[in-house]
Amino acid sequence: DTGVSQDPRHKITKRGQNVTFRCDPISEHNRLYWYRQTLGQGPEFLTYFQNEAQLEKSRLLSDRFSAERPKGSFSTLEIQRTEQGDSAMYLCASSLAAGEDYGYTFGSGTRLTVV
Amino acid sequence: AQSVTQPDIHITVSEGASLELRCNYSYGATPYLFWYVQSPGQGLQLLLKYFSGDTLVQGIKGFEAEFKRSQSSFNLRKPSVHWSDAAEYFCAVGRGTNAGKSTFGDGTTLTVKP
Repeated sequence: DTGVSQDPRHKITKRGQNVTFRCDPISEHNRLYWYRQTLGQGPEFLTYFQNEAQLEKSRLLSDRFSAERPKGSFSTLEIQRTEQGDSAMYLCASSLAAGEDYGYTFGSGTRLTVV
Repeated sequence: AQSVTQPDIHITVSEGASLELRCNYSYGATPYLFWYVQSPGQGLQLLLKYFSGDTLVQGIKGFEAEFKRSQSSFNLRKPSVHWSDAAEYFCAVGRGTNAGKSTFGDGTTLTVKP
């Protein structure tokens, strides 16, 4: 088990460009979460999946953000027409759906800088 | 709506001293509570969690936390801090294992003096 992998680790993009991040969860985890973290803040919930179904999406998430988990394994998070305010660390986590082992395993994150 | 408050933005302790990080939560039902630790530039690591039962829970790296329903608190403690404990600590509350989403506090940064 290699943990939760995120790619890329860093991304610098020009304002207005589209970016896509990938997350590979722990293989036996059926839940996958995306969070965003800015400096001095805790992680802010964006969305989560159980298997391939997107069960909840934050109301704070604009229409420029979309996430997929097509086969219930890896997930992608796309940001269209990036803005400077999108600069943040994007964190992916996975978990089992229930039980005593419930709790997030986080990846190392993708740091996005919009210039 | 659920929320978490970590009153201390920054705490400094001497190596070998005891540590307590405060966490207060707001949630209408029985909460699921977590503490995570984050080293610079890294993701978060789960230290411990409370679901039910014994209100004193043990975690990794010698940490423990106590759930106090009457005070809506879930404070993190360690009897003797090591220099490697310097990091940022986040408290989180979840709606339960079947609800998925957790809400995080804004964190407490721990500095350890030699």
